[in-house]
Amino acid sequence: DSGVTQTPKHLITATGQRVTLRCSPRSGDLSVYWYQQSLDQGLQFLIHYYNGEERAKGNILERFSAQQFPDLHSELNLSSLELGDSALYFCASSVASYQGNEQFFGPGTRLTVL
Amino acid sequence: GENVEQHPSTLSVQEGDSAVIKCTYSDSASNYFPWYKQELGKRPQLIIDIRSNVGEKKDQRIAVTLNKTAKHFSLHITETQPEDSAVYFCAATGANNLFFGTGTRLTVIP
Repeated sequence: DSGVTQTPKHLITATGQRVTLRCSPRSGDLSVYWYQQSLDQGLQFLIHYYNGEERAKGNILERFSAQQFPDLHSELNLSSLELGDSALYFCASSVASYQGNEQFFGPGTRLTVL
Repeated sequence: GENVEQHPSTLSVQEGDSAVIKCTYSDSASNYFPWYKQELGKRPQLIIDIRSNVGEKKDQRIAVTLNKTAKHFSLHITETQPEDSAVYFCAATGANNLFFGTGTRLTVIP
């Protein structure tokens, strides 16, 4: 157990809908990262927050948004869902934001868009 | 931004043999190179990492080498066991995040 929690574990929804994925980092970690992993694909970096502020953006679609709250948990919002958004979404946390910190991954949320 | 390439995409070895996975990166400013192991349906977990001021690091049956000049790093697993079967990802640091390779599916045949 990495200490990073994600809810829900599974989510099944329809095209056009909106969902919210939640992540709680390890105690003491200020950074949260979101990744998308499609079937048999690698980990695509979406976005990084540090202590409530956005630090880096990857290949995140405009339909997707995220935020980190004062208690450091983070939410990833996915809207106008398409079939291709079906994937495993991981969040990870680390102590700081600079390079060289180990990222600890949560168990992931499996999103299925029908 | 950083671009990380990983080879091979699949690798099958006999139990007891060695496995080598290679990655290249593009950003000479990258200075942290972790390797993650992901078992089926589970989260990626760090198995070893190396920083740019070190050329080689070893942890029991796992070792990683880094060639900064050539911008490549490799994962070496010796005396492979069936429980080593998983997908392995290399990564390199970007400005504020990690860039991952596309993964290598390692199968250890008993």
